[in-house]
Amino acid sequence: DQQVKQNSPSLSVQEGRISILNCDYTNSMFDYFLWYKKYPAEGPTFLISISSIKDKNEDGRFTVFLNKSAKHLSLHIVPSQPGDSAVYFCAASEVGNAGNMLTFGGGTRLMVKP
Amino acid sequence: DAGVIQSPRHEVTEMGQEVTLRCKPISGHDYLFWYRQTMMRGLELLIYFNNNVPIDDSGMPEDRFSAKMPNASFSTLKIQPSEPRDSAVYFCASSLVGGEQFFGPGTRLTVL
Repeated sequence: DQQVKQNSPSLSVQEGRISILNCDYTNSMFDYFLWYKKYPAEGPTFLISISSIKDKNEDGRFTVFLNKSAKHLSLHIVPSQPGDSAVYFCAASEVGNAGNMLTFGGGTRLMVKP
Repeated sequence: DAGVIQSPRHEVTEMGQEVTLRCKPISGHDYLFWYRQTMMRGLELLIYFNNNVPIDDSGMPEDRFSAKMPNASFSTLKIQPSEPRDSAVYFCASSLVGGEQFFGPGTRLTVL
């Protein structure tokens, strides 16, 4: 059973618009969440994270929102740029793991059209 | 730092052969992780080490898979004997305690 789910396998957005990538989780013990970005033929790279004590974390064009009651998080990219086209993975770790043991979602492929 | 280094980048082998994947973590990192990415199962954790000691290998699919970390700067993932269903991209990652994981470029394994 997948504990971290990204239900949209792909998303297409126009350059300059907002991209919203969603992630749902089922494990109540998860308390730290991360987003990774992956380009073809490269390993995933860390993008942004959020602890369960917060509901929002912002870093430049990237903002992650966490709704603990709904067990849902989302990544907002504003404005979207063609260079943001990649696969985005949501990941989570449990209390006590200090972010070290991650469970990944299946990924969402984002395509930003010029 | 050069980042996490993996070799080989591509490996094509025949069913039944032994395959060894190699990883050099970022210097100073305490944790090392091996992941496998497939279309069906996504990115799944196979095993991770802390200070060269295996901590959790519950993700290792079966006894054909083994991993070692003889020192802080080197780890191997071995598959013996390999099967076509082992075809995937294998990633190594390293991190400091509580820190983000840095991934290597991956090894694309094809078992014919």
